[in-house]
Order: sequence, then C-alpha cells, then structure tokens
Amino acid sequence: NAGVTQTPKFQVLKTGQSMTLQCAQDMNHNSMYWYRQDPGMGLRLIYYSASEGTTDKGEVPNGYNVSRLNKREFSLRLESAAPSQTSVYFCASSFGLDGTEAFFGQGTRLTVV
Amino acid sequence: QQPVQSPQAVILREGEDAVINCSSSKALYSVHWYRQKHGEAPVFLMILLKGGEQKGHEKISASFNEKKQQSSLYLTASQLSYSGTYFCGTDPSGTYKYIFGTGTRLKVLA
Repeated sequence: NAGVTQTPKFQVLKTGQSMTLQCAQDMNHNSMYWYRQDPGMGLRLIYYSASEGTTDKGEVPNGYNVSRLNKREFSLRLESAAPSQTSVYFCASSFGLDGTEAFFGQGTRLTVV
Repeated sequence: QQPVQSPQAVILREGEDAVINCSSSKALYSVHWYRQKHGEAPVFLMILLKGGEQKGHEKISASFNEKKQQSSLYLTASQLSYSGTYFCGTDPSGTYKYIFGTGTRLKVLA
C-alpha cells in the first residue's frame, strides 16, 4: 500500500505566487490533516478534515485554504506565498476513531524566496 | 493550546533510560506519541486513551495522567535506533483534532 502520498516533494516559489500541495491516502481513512514543521516549533496544525465534506481551522490557518476533494484527497493551497510560509509540510490521515493513530506522508519542503 | 514537552533535548549512552514528558493546558481525551528521524515523516509509537487503554510499541511504555493533563514516555535500555525527535500529540476536544507538542530531541550514543 502507498499509504499517504504527497506531491510535490520539493518546491521553490517566489513571493506572491500561488500553489497547491496535493495529498492522497489509500487507507479509507475518514480524517485528514495538514501540518507545518519549523525548527523548534514542532508540528503545527494548519487545517484538518474530520470527515469528507468538512474542514476546520487548526492552530495556524492564516494564508492557507484547503479542499477535501473526496474521501481520499485533501489539498492545501497557498494563494499568495510569503517567505514566512517556508517550511516542511506534512499531510496525515487517520480513521478518526478512538485508539487509531495518524499516518504521515513524506512531506513537502517548500521554500518561498 | 500546543502541549509542552520536556526536556527539549537529551543525550544518552546505549542501554540508559530516558523519560519524556508532555503537558497540556487542556483536558485530554487521548495522547499519541510519535518518533521522527531526520528528514523522515513521524512514525507512530503509542496511543493512550482515557480509561487506561494503551496500544503501541512493545519496548516502549507510557503513562497518562488525565487529571494532571500529562503524559510521560519511558524509553528503557535505549538503543541507537531510538535516536530521533519525539512528539506527543493530544486531542483536547475529543474530535480527533490532533495537536502536537514542541518535540524532544533524543540522541543515543554508542
């Protein structure tokens, strides 16, 4: 099984450009998440989707939008990239049930110049 | 809302023990523990639920004090492969909205 697949793996953007990070899972999970990871800050939740058709803000949603396209796919969009959004982005998914863990994608390293 | 982990970093010799703590300012429905090696994705280690149920790694144990809103991860007889950054993830609202801690960097030396 592929698990959680993120694309692209690396991206360089110029300030003001837009882009969409893609995430797909093949585990029939209900819940999906987007995190960003910066040195010393741990993993910070940007947005999450508890189930297909729902999305909710996390700790750091400003500057981002998300779309839960279907049960498998959850995309993250940067409308106007800023250098402060330089980070490693992780998508994760889980069944969204008690006692079930989250599975993470391999990450997207984004640099905004 | 982000849970605080302590210590921030720890260095051990192979075979030594370590304890990593996770404290939240909110009541917890569950606590997850993950380990991340450099350049890789976090990998699941353990879940602790209210009521005492646990699920996870056979060589790692953890505790969950719901009243104190704390969890601790116990690494015994550490191995070189234990090196990495450990994160606790909490679910303060019971809606599977996982918030992760600041991380603890662990390095095991031969």
